[in-house]
Amino acid sequence: DAKTTQPNSMESNEEEPVHLPCNHSTISGTDYIHWYRQLPSQGPEYVIHGLTSNVNNRMASLAIAEDRKSSTLILHRATLRDAAVYYCILLLIQGAQKLVFGQGTRLTINP
Amino acid sequence: NAGVTQTPKFQVLKTGQSMTLQCAQDMNHEYMSWYRQDPGMGLRLIHYSVGAGITDQGEVPNGYNVSRSTTEDFPLRLLSAAPSQTSVYFCASSWDRAYYNEQFFGPGTRLTVL
Repeated sequence: DAKTTQPNSMESNEEEPVHLPCNHSTISGTDYIHWYRQLPSQGPEYVIHGLTSNVNNRMASLAIAEDRKSSTLILHRATLRDAAVYYCILLLIQGAQKLVFGQGTRLTINP
Repeated sequence: NAGVTQTPKFQVLKTGQSMTLQCAQDMNHEYMSWYRQDPGMGLRLIHYSVGAGITDQGEVPNGYNVSRSTTEDFPLRLLSAAPSQTSVYFCASSWDRAYYNEQFFGPGTRLTVL
């Protein structure tokens, strides 16, 4: 499985945008980039996924570098509820959906 | 919809005891899976199922058994509990195994083995 690298922790202020980076230099052409987050004492929650083009949904945006070796999850206006561990995961286009979770980035939101 | 439900929420076992962690989903999802999460670590896949009657091993299957007799249920059995199995266990489901389908996770079962 291709590996992802994320900062251990990040901090931001409420109502400000947050950019969470992820490096995946060994990504293959058939790997999709998925993001999940885990709020304290809860199970993980799907956030967004993409392949090559930037993606937007109600929760966040995903910006993917042209060479696909990195991506950035963007929370446009962070709230206290966004404090969580964010995981960047690569999934093969074929095969079972085996989510391989790394350490993730622990995001702290200051009031 | 209740989504993905897990029982019990908490469990304490003694070494050597057996038990079954229950997982159920009411979304008619084909794909279900079990993960464990140890303190300060990401989740690791134990077993998964792509449909009723079909199961396969994940990253850390030793000491665990699964079966999938119905679409809705995917129980995880600990045959002889060991302290190394102290962890939080999460069950997840999705429409099918496709890469583009989001997985829905249950609230977890916190297991302590003494």
